[in-house]
Amino acid sequence: QKEVEQDPGPLSVPEGAIVSLNCTYSNSAFQYFMWYRQYSRKGPELLMYTYSSGNKEDGRFTAQVDKSSKYISLFIRDSQPSDSATYLCAMKMGYVLRGGSEKLVFGKGTKLTVNP
Amino acid sequence: DGGITQSPKYLFRKEGQNVTLSCEQNLNHDAMYWYRQDPGQGLRLIYYSQIVNDFQKGDIAEGYSVSREKKESFPLTVTSAQKNPTAFYLCASTAGGGYTTNEKLFFGSGTQLSVL
Repeated sequence: QKEVEQDPGPLSVPEGAIVSLNCTYSNSAFQYFMWYRQYSRKGPELLMYTYSSGNKEDGRFTAQVDKSSKYISLFIRDSQPSDSATYLCAMKMGYVLRGGSEKLVFGKGTKLTVNP
Repeated sequence: DGGITQSPKYLFRKEGQNVTLSCEQNLNHDAMYWYRQDPGQGLRLIYYSQIVNDFQKGDIAEGYSVSREKKESFPLTVTSAQKNPTAFYLCASTAGGGYTTNEKLFFGSGTQLSVL
């Protein structure tokens, strides 16, 4: 089983729809969870950053973490064509392994298209 | 504006040739990272550096080399030993040295490397 699983899609929705993007993980030591948005041929940009379980809201975006199920979600309300991008989940344990930097583990990304 | 600059945007490599990808940051960040992204794949860590004149191998370091002579610069060389170099390469940085738990990763805009 891979550490982080993310459905690659593609996911296509009409403008205004609510979008749900998800990742599951196997390592119960993960405590910090992130969502990155990546436009085509650009670097990822940090969208949401959460610690432990619970919800975090920022405008039209809500990040949800359920550590008991090892499941994280990103919800996009009132989706816009400008939301069309690949969304990457990422997570880390929250402590530094001896002799090294803390490793961030990424999902493969879900490609989202929002149609006008 | 502060940020991470990667150059060139596109690069072509001939058989047996070494090529160097540039990464410069003016964010005064201590730690810098190189990731490789293949279509439909998550980001994989190649090398990282937490301080000047020091760097560590990531998950897929074979066929790559780096240097960190200045805080602002972290060039990546793709050597002829890397038999499958075609990929999108991303440079990233964090403010701290990768030791603290809440550091956030900032990315450059990437370099697409292709083999002729």
